[in-house]
Amino acid sequence: EVLLLESGGGLVQPGGSLRLSCTASGFIFPNYAMNWVRQAPGMGLEWLSNISDFADATHYADSVKGRFIISRDNSQNTVYLQMNNLRADDTAIYYCAKEGTISGMVYFDYWGQGIMVTVSA
Amino acid sequence: DIQMTQSPSSLSASVGDTVTITCRASQAVRSNLNWYQQKPGKAPNLLIYGASTLQSGVPSRFSASGYGTDFTLTISNLQPEDFATYHCQQTYSAWTFGQGTKVEIK
Repeated sequence: EVLLLESGGGLVQPGGSLRLSCTASGFIFPNYAMNWVRQAPGMGLEWLSNISDFADATHYADSVKGRFIISRDNSQNTVYLQMNNLRADDTAIYYCAKEGTISGMVYFDYWGQGIMVTVSA
Repeated sequence: DIQMTQSPSSLSASVGDTVTITCRASQAVRSNLNWYQQKPGKAPNLLIYGASTLQSGVPSRFSASGYGTDFTLTISNLQPEDFATYHCQQTYSAWTFGQGTKVEIK
């Protein structure tokens, strides 16, 4: 069974930092790209960042570029999201998602349960 | 960035109805379009990938079509467990989501 378990969320002050972790099990972690997606209260999904299977490529949404850093440790089956200079509008549930591909089509086939990040003074 | 626009933002329907949700991309994404279902307090769940391919385990009352910029998700014979929010996602260039469509009980 594929499981993705996020941790590291919580309350942080504006301008602060937080590192999220997502630990995976049930699949060969180094074989798959991973993503972070967030959902602000009452809002839609926002893709944030992607990291390739061996971490040789990363991509970011404009909204977090320069503030967030994605990384992974394949020996620990874990992907991270380092979030710096946090703002109130970063308040959201953060999900990690496993990327799947078939015939060049990319999709997110497994998601973590999500973890809340609240940015407030 | 490619913008995804879903319509309607919400709709009301009854059990047994057929509903259609549309998703339009600001530029062509070929068949790189996915649909997800999300229930309150839960993570999204993949329904459709590659614009029209049903993910394993998804009931056949879900179907989808489209190519390029215009896509549709159709739910036939709506069941109580289908009342949820549906999100489209393009994975042609970076990955962006639509704003979601909430399907509510009439």
